[in-house]
Amino acid sequence: TQLLEQSPQFLSIQEGENLTVYCNSSSVFSSLQWYRQEPGEGPVLLVTVVTGGEVKKLKRLTFQFGDARKDSSLHITAAQPGDTGLYLCAGDTPSSRHYGGSQGNLIFGKGTKLSVKP
Amino acid sequence: KAGVTQTPRYLIKTRGQQVTLSCSPISGHRSVSWYQQTPGQGLQFLFEYFSETQRNKGNFPGRFSGRQFSNSRSEMNVSTLELGDSALYLCASSLAQTSGSTDTQYFGPGTRLTVL
Repeated sequence: TQLLEQSPQFLSIQEGENLTVYCNSSSVFSSLQWYRQEPGEGPVLLVTVVTGGEVKKLKRLTFQFGDARKDSSLHITAAQPGDTGLYLCAGDTPSSRHYGGSQGNLIFGKGTKLSVKP
Repeated sequence: KAGVTQTPRYLIKTRGQQVTLSCSPISGHRSVSWYQQTPGQGLQFLFEYFSETQRNKGNFPGRFSGRQFSNSRSEMNVSTLELGDSALYLCASSLAQTSGSTDTQYFGPGTRLTVL
């Protein structure tokens, strides 16, 4: 069974602080995606990382994929109340590539619930 | 483009009943996946449909089933409901390109099912 472990599970910080969320697995993933989910809504994709060692930046968010494609991190600089939400990582399993694409069988971590207080 | 829509948004059922949830994907998207989200287990993959065929399935009992119609709309059905089926059921659609690239999944807002 492939598992994605996210840490920390909960994080409550003040506006302006930095934070890092981790996503670890013993399995190798074809790609790894990060989502943010707000209450009453479905997850919204933030980024997809594909290449081992890849670093992607999205404004104040920095995403890194481990060299071995087993782990990833999300770093937020100068967090703002609007960053509040549930952050989920999801790994794409090679077994889902039935039709040459990666579909459907995403393995999700349980998420990190982030609260940024003004 | 309109996003993924799910109906109903909220549902309350009692044990033993059955329920059908509906998902309309983004126009042009051919793949629809279903997930169950609970506080304890997080998001778990149920199944994926492409061109009216189930091509991927998670580890859920046979009480959970689904189907996809020719217009890519999908339904999932849960029979003989149990208390533990209370969850947020999410549907996601994607283009399902065959180029080998990772397709983005777009999630709907979910259906909140409560089983009493």
